[in-house]
Amino acid sequence: RKEVEQDPGPFNVPEGATVAFNCTYSNSASQSFFWYRQDCRKEPKLLMSVYSSGNEDGRFTAQLNRASQYISLLIRDSKLSDSATYLCVVNKVGSQGNLIFGKGTKLSVKP
Amino acid sequence: DGGITQSPKYLFRKEGQNVTLSCEQNLNHDAMYWYRQDPGQGLRLIYYSQIVNDFQKGDIAEGYSVSREKKESFPLTVTSAQKNPTAFYLCASSIRIIREANNEQFFGPGTRLTVL
Repeated sequence: RKEVEQDPGPFNVPEGATVAFNCTYSNSASQSFFWYRQDCRKEPKLLMSVYSSGNEDGRFTAQLNRASQYISLLIRDSKLSDSATYLCVVNKVGSQGNLIFGKGTKLSVKP
Repeated sequence: DGGITQSPKYLFRKEGQNVTLSCEQNLNHDAMYWYRQDPGQGLRLIYYSQIVNDFQKGDIAEGYSVSREKKESFPLTVTSAQKNPTAFYLCASSIRIIREANNEQFFGPGTRLTVL
């Protein structure tokens, strides 16, 4: 099993749609989880951390399922500006501070 | 404004030449990282440094070297020993962490290196 695995997509959705991304991680001892957003030919930017109880930031909701070792990101009411690649990120167990980045899921929101 | 800067944005070099990529941060972060990203691939860790005058190899350190003489600066040298150096290079930093939790990293804009 890969350390962090994501569906590469692309997800092509119309404006206003709700879209969900899932990500699985292999090490049950992982403690930190994040979603980053990366626009084409740009650097990744932190979208949100993922907390055990789940958390929401406007149209974005992140969930963590420790038992099944997966993380999800839900985007409601998609905007054209949400088009990007979404990276699932998990801390590397046993190395302080290091992160493991998934390959990303590409989202394309169409008018 | 606090942030991470990388220069140059685009860099072209001939095969066999060493090249140094700059990374500077004024966030007062202790930890700094270098990644490379290839098309359709995830980020791969080259080197990281958790404190001044100390650094460790990441997953793909062969053909690269770094230094950390100042807290603000973490330059990466791509040597001629790196067999496939053309890539997008990203520098990141984070607050030094004591525990593994809450260690988000913040990225510079990246340098696209093309070796001809």
